[in-house]
Amino acid sequence: EAGVTQFPSHSVIEKGQTVTLRCDPISGHDNLYWYRRVMGKEIKFLLHFVKESKQDESGMPNNRFLAERTGGTYSTLKVQPAELEDSGVYFCASSQLFRNTEAFFGQGTRLTVV
Amino acid sequence: QKEVEQDPGPLSVPEGAIVSLNCTYSNSAFQYFMWYRQYSRKGPELLMYTYSSGNKEDGRFTAQVDKSSKYISLFIRDSQPSDSATYLCAMSPSRGAQKLVFGQGTRLTINP
Repeated sequence: EAGVTQFPSHSVIEKGQTVTLRCDPISGHDNLYWYRRVMGKEIKFLLHFVKESKQDESGMPNNRFLAERTGGTYSTLKVQPAELEDSGVYFCASSQLFRNTEAFFGQGTRLTVV
Repeated sequence: QKEVEQDPGPLSVPEGAIVSLNCTYSNSAFQYFMWYRQYSRKGPELLMYTYSSGNKEDGRFTAQVDKSSKYISLFIRDSQPSDSATYLCAMSPSRGAQKLVFGQGTRLTINP
């Protein structure tokens, strides 16, 4: 069974550009989470989807970040326009709807804004 | 003040040693406690979780939670070089892996 897959693994963009990160959760996992780790800091929650609905987006830093999960399958996280402080590693995780004791993480997308 | 405090290390011990990793937290609403292991350039991988105070053992790993002191620990017995990784504690106020609050992670190296 495939795990959580994230694309790209690494992205380098210039300040002001747009970047879209993609996450493919484990098949059948209705819960999908986005987290972020900036340099030297802890991993922080961004938002939580249940199927295609945003359950909790309290961790989204500002309106330059837009997350979508059309059809309740894969999810995208768009940053527009990117700023230097957006650099970090973006993790996606997924879990089953009712057996959510374990969230499975992807390998992360390392975003560098220059 | 951070909700979860974890010493980032680095921590270096000889093979076979007992390793103790710890986190403290301030939010008394946390009721679900986890330890994740993260190898370089990989995502976090769940090692153990527990809902309540007390000990939970799984092979060479023991997780300990003291909710009265807001303190959790992970012990690794007979440590192996393959245990070298970053260990992250994480917590949630819900009964599940939702909206996890992470510690900064402790980088551990086991020397052969």
